[in-house]
Amino acid sequence: QKEVEQNSGPLSVPEGAIASLNCTYSDRGSQSFFWYRQYSGKSPELIMSIYSNGDKEDGRFTAQLNKASQYVSLLIRDSQPSDSATYLCAVRSNTGGFKTIFGAGTRLFVKA
Amino acid sequence: ETGVTQSPTHLIKTRGQQVTLRCSSQSGHNTVSWYQQALGQGPQFIFQYYREEENGRGNFPPRFSGLQFPNYSSELNVNALELDDSALYLCASSLGPAGTSTDTQYFGPGTRLTVL
Repeated sequence: QKEVEQNSGPLSVPEGAIASLNCTYSDRGSQSFFWYRQYSGKSPELIMSIYSNGDKEDGRFTAQLNKASQYVSLLIRDSQPSDSATYLCAVRSNTGGFKTIFGAGTRLFVKA
Repeated sequence: ETGVTQSPTHLIKTRGQQVTLRCSSQSGHNTVSWYQQALGQGPQFIFQYYREEENGRGNFPPRFSGLQFPNYSSELNVNALELDDSALYLCASSLGPAGTSTDTQYFGPGTRLTVL
C-alpha cells in the first residue's frame, strides 16, 4: 500500500463544472495536509493547507479532511481551463522523524 | 513568486560524478526540505533540515547528503551519480515544524539534473 494514494486520472470536466480530487493516506500520525497544483515543467504551487477535520474554503477551492477515514479531498468549483494541471496531495508527519509524502498526482483537464 | 531560489537551473553530469545543488530559502524559514521528482511522478522526500540539523529522511541512500547554513541557504550533495538520479530536484522552505499552521512549504523552481 502506498503511503499517499491518488487517482492518476486524467480527470476531465467541462468548464464551469465541479472537479473533485481525492487522496487517501496510511500514516495515522499525519498532522498536516496540503494540495499543490503543478503545471508541466514548473514546481508545485500551494493551493490549500488543512490541519483539522472538516471543510476549509478559499475562493473556488474547498479542502475536506476526515482523519478517521484517512481521507483528504479537494473540490474546485466553476472549473476554468487554466485549472488544467496536475494536482498533488501531500501529507506531513513526524512519525519516525519529520517527513512529507506526496501522492503521484491527478491530472485534471478542463474543457472549454 | 515564493521567495525560494535554486541554482543551477539545469545541470548535466556523467555517471559516477558528484553534484551539489543549492537552495536559498525565504528569510526566517528555519526548515528546508529536498525532493526528487522523476518525470510523471510526485515529488519524493529526500530529507528535511531544521536549524542546520537533519530531522527527517526518506528512503534515499547515504550518497544523498545535505547541509543547511545559518543564512537560510542549503545544499543537496549527491555522490557517485547513477542514471536513475536524473530528475527535477526541488527544495521547499517553511517557517515552523510539522503540525502547525507555519509548516506550509513553499517550493523553489527546481534544478533539472541529467545524468549521462
